[in-house]
Amino acid sequence: GENVEQHPSTLSVQEGDSAVIKCTYSDSASNYFPWYKQELGKGPQLIIDIRSNVGEKKDQRIAVTLNKTAKHFSLHITETQPEDSAVYFCAAESYGKLTFGQGTILTVHP
Amino acid sequence: GAGVSQSPSNKVTEKGKDVELRCDPISGHTALYWYRQSLGQGLEFLIYFQGNSAPDKSGLPSDRFSAERTGGSVSTLTIQRTQQEDSAVYLCASSLFQGVGEQYFGPGTRLTVT
Repeated sequence: GENVEQHPSTLSVQEGDSAVIKCTYSDSASNYFPWYKQELGKGPQLIIDIRSNVGEKKDQRIAVTLNKTAKHFSLHITETQPEDSAVYFCAAESYGKLTFGQGTILTVHP
Repeated sequence: GAGVSQSPSNKVTEKGKDVELRCDPISGHTALYWYRQSLGQGLEFLIYFQGNSAPDKSGLPSDRFSAERTGGSVSTLTIQRTQQEDSAVYLCASSLFQGVGEQYFGPGTRLTVT
């Protein structure tokens, strides 16, 4: 089955800096890659996603890149703000099932 | 519109008791998923429904876990004879169709087995 590895497990940045979280996946059949943000005591919230027919997608301060050959994808957050502090999960969809990475705890210091 | 709702939000139960967790998906979503999230861990897939059918039950940890969905809407996850290792947050998600991406999650039910 699919295996998703996510790094780093924790990330601490200063407000205004950029943050990058990276994931690799194992199943070449995976074709959909969402990113979720989870705040304390809440369910994961979909923040951006990318499908295998594109290499990059951007939504305001958030962007995701995908390299299908290398089987890795990344989340980029620019101009970070304290409210970006949360746990971020990547996922890969294969045969209709999402497999999640272990999560990255992002802390943005004012 | 209304998102995915789950009840109860918190459940404390004694070891050996049965518990039922409920999920109300987004109206019109035909696919429904259950995940388990242990403290500080990622999301572990349990089961999904397309309509009322559950084609893939491979993620259920043991035969103490079961789930059903009726009327293509509400789903119930039942854990029989709960054990302490069942303590976790149980998350439900729904999507328009199974395998078409964009799963939307509910707030979860925090289960504590004492």
